Amino acid sequence: SQTIHQWPATLVQPVGSPLSLECTVEGTSNPNLYWYRQAAGRGLQLLFYSVGIGQISSEVPQNLSASRPQDRQFILSSKKLLLSDSGFYLCAWGTSSETQYFGPGTRLLVL
Amino acid sequence: GENVEQHPSTLSVQEGDSAVIKCTYSDSASNYFPWYKQELGKRPQLIIDIRSNVGEKKDQRIAVTLNKTAKHFSLHITETQPEDSAVYFCAAAGGAQKLVFGQGTRLTINP
Repeated sequence: SQTIHQWPATLVQPVGSPLSLECTVEGTSNPNLYWYRQAAGRGLQLLFYSVGIGQISSEVPQNLSASRPQDRQFILSSKKLLLSDSGFYLCAWGTSSETQYFGPGTRLLVL
Repeated sequence: GENVEQHPSTLSVQEGDSAVIKCTYSDSASNYFPWYKQELGKRPQLIIDIRSNVGEKKDQRIAVTLNKTAKHFSLHITETQPEDSAVYFCAAAGGAQKLVFGQGTRLTINP
């Protein structure tokens, strides 16, 4: 069966520091991969998605970037964090039938 | 692009009563409509989905209906229980390999 991992689970970072969040999927090949952000008490904002290695689509202009160095690995990065980057970051994997399954998430607090 | 509106934003019902959450979508090409349940601090979990070739789908106490002509779909929960308390998100997809989510409904079941 398929499983999706995210780490770290929680992170507290100072403003201006870099960020790297990792997501990996097991048990499937060539999945679609997604990064979402959820502010406290709010909805799901799609940040990036990827349909293959090295293929990244950005949904919202911001100081974040994404990379997919391997088929089942998706990384979210920032060179300098802003206070507004705080939130719950969710990775998801999807099939060609468009069903998506979410990872456990990373809770990021920028101080 | 696709736009999904979800109502109500909050819903409170007595235990044992039914709950209904409604969503409308704008893109007539959308053909896949999942519903997710998110408990506090957890990841969204897929609870039921429907494709445009059917009008209704049921899984125990949960059902989803779809009206393609009116471009709206609804989640119905019968015989509500305290564990049904959560935030529910609807979404729509139309072949672009990504989901567009509604704003969410916070459902509270009162004992």
